[in-house]
Amino acid sequence: DQQVKQNSPSLSVQEGRISILNCDYTNSMFDYFLWYKKYPAEGPTFLISISSIKDKNEDGRFTVFLNKSAKHLSLHIVPSQPGDSAVYFCAASAIQGAQKLVFGQGTRLTINP
Amino acid sequence: KAGVTQTPRYLIKTRGQQVTLSCSPISGHRSVSWYQQTPGQGLQFLFEYFSETQRNKGNFPGRFSGRQFSNSRSEMNVSTLELGDSALYLCASSLSLGQPQHFGDGTRLSIL
Repeated sequence: DQQVKQNSPSLSVQEGRISILNCDYTNSMFDYFLWYKKYPAEGPTFLISISSIKDKNEDGRFTVFLNKSAKHLSLHIVPSQPGDSAVYFCAASAIQGAQKLVFGQGTRLTINP
Repeated sequence: KAGVTQTPRYLIKTRGQQVTLSCSPISGHRSVSWYQQTPGQGLQFLFEYFSETQRNKGNFPGRFSGRQFSNSRSEMNVSTLELGDSALYLCASSLSLGQPQHFGDGTRLSIL
């Protein structure tokens, strides 16, 4: 039972445009969500997070949107840069579940010059 | 500021052996979690330690165990290795509950 799903295995975007990565979850107990970026041979790098009391969080070029009623979150990257090419994972946790993160399967983002 | 350090980076073992992996968290971080990444199952939670106590455990057999020391460094141990244990093992640390976890670069374990 996959509680966190990233339905797009890959996404290709032109440099300078907006990249939108999507994530759906099924467990209504999740109340903290994160996005990580991963390059080959490196560990995941934390990008941005959002708690369930908010519906939007921004950090520079990265914005995460949370729609609790739809159990959906998305990561917007504007403008997209070649260095953004990587695999992106969304993750979720329930605060009372301590630090147990449940990850999606990842989306490979390719930024084309 | 130094990140999460995992040693060794690569390890090759044979079936039936045991292995110990090490993780040094970011200075000041007291929570350490371990994850397994495989192509088929993705990133899966193994366990989490805080102040030398296991707070949470994932759905893995008892062959997988861990511990945390008083300086917050952590080790995980896998006994009676199986071919399916071949994976990237990632360690993450965080300052406290509700704070993001920061990952090391992992230990790539290959079982022959």
